Amino acid sequence: EAQLVESGGGLVKPGGSLRLACAASGFSFGTYSMNWVRQAPGKGLEWISSVAGGTSYIYYADSVKGRFTISRDNSKNFLYLQMNSLRVDDTAVYYCARAYDFWSGQVYFDHWGQGAVVTVSS
Amino acid sequence: DIVLTQSPGTLSLFPGAAATLSCRASQSINNGFLAWYQQKPGQAPRLLIYGASNRATGIPDRFSGSGSGTDFTLTISSLESEDFGLYYCQQYGRSPWTFGQGTKVDTK
Repeated sequence: EAQLVESGGGLVKPGGSLRLACAASGFSFGTYSMNWVRQAPGKGLEWISSVAGGTSYIYYADSVKGRFTISRDNSKNFLYLQMNSLRVDDTAVYYCARAYDFWSGQVYFDHWGQGAVVTVSS
Repeated sequence: DIVLTQSPGTLSLFPGAAATLSCRASQSINNGFLAWYQQKPGQAPRLLIYGASNRATGIPDRFSGSGSGTDFTLTISSLESEDFGLYYCQQYGRSPWTFGQGTKVDTK
């Protein structure tokens, strides 16, 4: 059974940085596209970044491009999100999610972590 | 970007009733690449439907999806107590992958 566990959330001041991690287990991590999806308090879901299995292809939503960096360590089965220049409107629960099959275009999210809470406030 | 508009915003129904949720896209979604998720308070979303009409593993057959092009529907044939919550559609036909704003199904 695939399992995803996020860590690294917390309270940070505007302009600060934070790194989220997602530990994956129960599946062949290196063969799947991995993603970050966030949800602001009381709001809907927003996809923010993807990295394909081989790390060659990386995508960002415009809202985080240039500030956030996604990466993965296939030897350790970890996904990361480095968040810099954080803003108040980045406050959200950040979910790590596995995409079913990036290469066939089937980027729907079949497994999710429990989420990491990031609060940006002075 | 493809904008997904879900309706209604809230659906108030009795257990046992049928629920029909709509998701309309601002552009045609390639290959019917539309998914539905359920989310309960304090929990992560759960995949229900992919490819517009395919149930994910372990999803009961009272959940069904239909539609193509720009109009998609999630139907719950007979609501059970555990079905009350938020429902989101997501398109993956074109990057950036986008979600609808959600429909809340609550008990009457």
